[in-house]
Amino acid sequence: AQTVTQSQPEMSVQEAETVTLSCTYDTSESDYYLFWYKQPPSRQMILVIRQEAYKQQNATENRFSVNFQKAAKSFSLKISDSQLGDAAMYFCAYRRTGTASKLTFGTGTRLQVTL
Amino acid sequence: SQTIHQWPATLVQPVGSPLSLECTVEGTSNPNLYWYRQAAGRGLQLLFYSVGIGQISSEVPQNLSASRPQDRQFILSSKKLLLSDSGFYLCAWSVRQGKGPSNQPQHFGDGTRLSIL
Repeated sequence: AQTVTQSQPEMSVQEAETVTLSCTYDTSESDYYLFWYKQPPSRQMILVIRQEAYKQQNATENRFSVNFQKAAKSFSLKISDSQLGDAAMYFCAYRRTGTASKLTFGTGTRLQVTL
Repeated sequence: SQTIHQWPATLVQPVGSPLSLECTVEGTSNPNLYWYRQAAGRGLQLLFYSVGIGQISSEVPQNLSASRPQDRQFILSSKKLLLSDSGFYLCAWSVRQGKGPSNQPQHFGDGTRLSIL
């Protein structure tokens, strides 16, 4: 079974600084997808960024980028120029191919952004 | 554009009472549909998913059931709620496999906070 581990329950970053959230996963599959979701206090789940395992290039979305290390099964999220609105729970998620898109989530990292 | 509606937003129910949470999707057809539960301070646990009308797969044994009476409607139910059913329930949809890029993410509703007294 696939598992997703987020070893940092809480992180803190100063406004305008950069922070990296860690995620590791365990799978025997060679083709799969990885996602980072953000859950602000409103509890909505918002997709932040996605990565296809077959792509070597790290995904980037504006201030958000990932460091995808397939051999190490690591998928960290880097947030640059942090903003107050980035404060939220961040969840790493894994999905196999061909399984009705079921997501396996990590337990989340709570990110605080300070002035 | 596609939207997903989930209601009610908040629900307080006594132990032993029935439950019905509804989720509908607009702007797409033949979606995959999902129900997740998020316990306080925890990640999301997949409860059910559906790839079509009347097709329900259960991920974990529990006191809950799901139904999909229409293509874009997904209902989470219980005949008798337990205290352990408290939590935050999220409905989600995604493009069905084979009908779009296979890296399609899931899109979530606003959730229902369920408190059992």
